[in-house]
Amino acid sequence: QVQLQESGPRLVKPSQTLSLTCTVSGDSINSGSYYWTWIRQPAGKGLEWIGRFYTGGSTNYNPSLKSRVTISVDTSKNQFSLRLSSVTAADTAVYYCARECRTEWIHWFDPWGQGILVTVSS
Amino acid sequence: DIQMTQSPSSLSASVGDRVTITCRANQDISTFLNWYQQKPGKAPKLLIYDASNFKTGVPSRFSGSGSGTDFAFTISSLQPEDIATYYCQQYDSLPLTFGGGTKVEIK
Repeated sequence: QVQLQESGPRLVKPSQTLSLTCTVSGDSINSGSYYWTWIRQPAGKGLEWIGRFYTGGSTNYNPSLKSRVTISVDTSKNQFSLRLSSVTAADTAVYYCARECRTEWIHWFDPWGQGILVTVSS
Repeated sequence: DIQMTQSPSSLSASVGDRVTITCRANQDISTFLNWYQQKPGKAPKLLIYDASNFKTGVPSRFSGSGSGTDFAFTISSLQPEDIATYYCQQYDSLPLTFGGGTKVEIK
């Protein structure tokens, strides 16, 4: 059973870079055709897709965040990471990592990590 | 971006009631729609994929329907453990987007 776990600093100062890591257990991050994804959720609000890394090597980002986001994969550690630069209070949210599965034309997120609350504050 | 509009944003119903949530896309997304359940303090969990297909193990009281721009998610008999917020999500095109959520409570 595949499990994902987010880790990283829970407090980041404004203008600095938010860095999170998602550790994948139960399967190799290189196995299958998956997208390794980051999604966030401000307190009391809905879900926002941040972006994804495809095991084939490509990345896609939400245009609203594209200039500030980098998602990368470390296959030796079975991890993938999120970097979000120049953060403001608006970036305060629970950050989830998730695996996006696909078969032919069908895509879905499963499983998700438990989420990590990151607060941007001085 | 494809905008996903869910309604209602919240509802209160009695145990055993039939509950229906709607999700509307602002353009045709075929059946490229999933439904997730998020309980308080937890990550979302996939319930329905491709508009109407159950994830293995999901109770049969949950169902989904629709295609094009209009979709529905139904709980045929609301149970206390169904208290959660439900989200639709489209995967027709990037950026992937979610509906605003529907919070389901017990009356």
